[in-house]
Amino acid sequence: GQNIDQPTEMTATEGAIVQINCTYQTSGFNGLFWYQQHAGEAPTFLSYNVLDGLEEKGRFSSFLSRSKGYSYLLLKELQMKDSASYLCAGGVNQAGTALIFGKGTTLSVSS
Amino acid sequence: ETGVTQTPRHLVMGMTNKKSLKCEQHLGHNAMYWYKQSAKKPLELMFVYSLEERVENNSVPSRFSPECPNSSHLFLHLHTLQPEDSALYLCASSPLDGSEKLFFGSGTQLSVL
Repeated sequence: GQNIDQPTEMTATEGAIVQINCTYQTSGFNGLFWYQQHAGEAPTFLSYNVLDGLEEKGRFSSFLSRSKGYSYLLLKELQMKDSASYLCAGGVNQAGTALIFGKGTTLSVSS
Repeated sequence: ETGVTQTPRHLVMGMTNKKSLKCEQHLGHNAMYWYKQSAKKPLELMFVYSLEERVENNSVPSRFSPECPNSSHLFLHLHTLQPEDSALYLCASSPLDGSEKLFFGSGTQLSVL
């Protein structure tokens, strides 16, 4: 079956570092995505990992371990505008190729 | 501006009404999707169109009826909905280049009374 788990909520302070974990069990796995969604807005693409290892993009980094079915999103130098929901999603090989999403992690950044 | 436009942004309808949600993408993509987003639940895939053909229907009730007249437009026709259908309905498109990267619209917030 398809299952993606991530924490429901996290809190952090400005300037800190936060790591949002995601574990997955999907058949025909074809990569792991992270999306950011601010309240009332569209989810926007953050990162895509298909190979094991760390991908860095500015303040955001994403890590994948295929053997462990595990990924994390690392946010550095947190800013208030980083308060949002972070969605972990697995790509699966099926007709139409579509993503299976976790419930999302709501991150609240305080000053 | 994400390149994917959804209208209306908000919709309130009674259980006996018929309404349609519209999605338009300006990205030249070949696949379009409808997702449902309810509070405290994961995004649920409803329908997938690839090259204007429906390739996935995830056990969605028949009161939801999709239509894809061309690769740039996608509709979701709604008929005799239930209060539990109240949710954010998100449209997305992707280029079918193997990356499965989705580009989302801002969604239609639907309330069924």
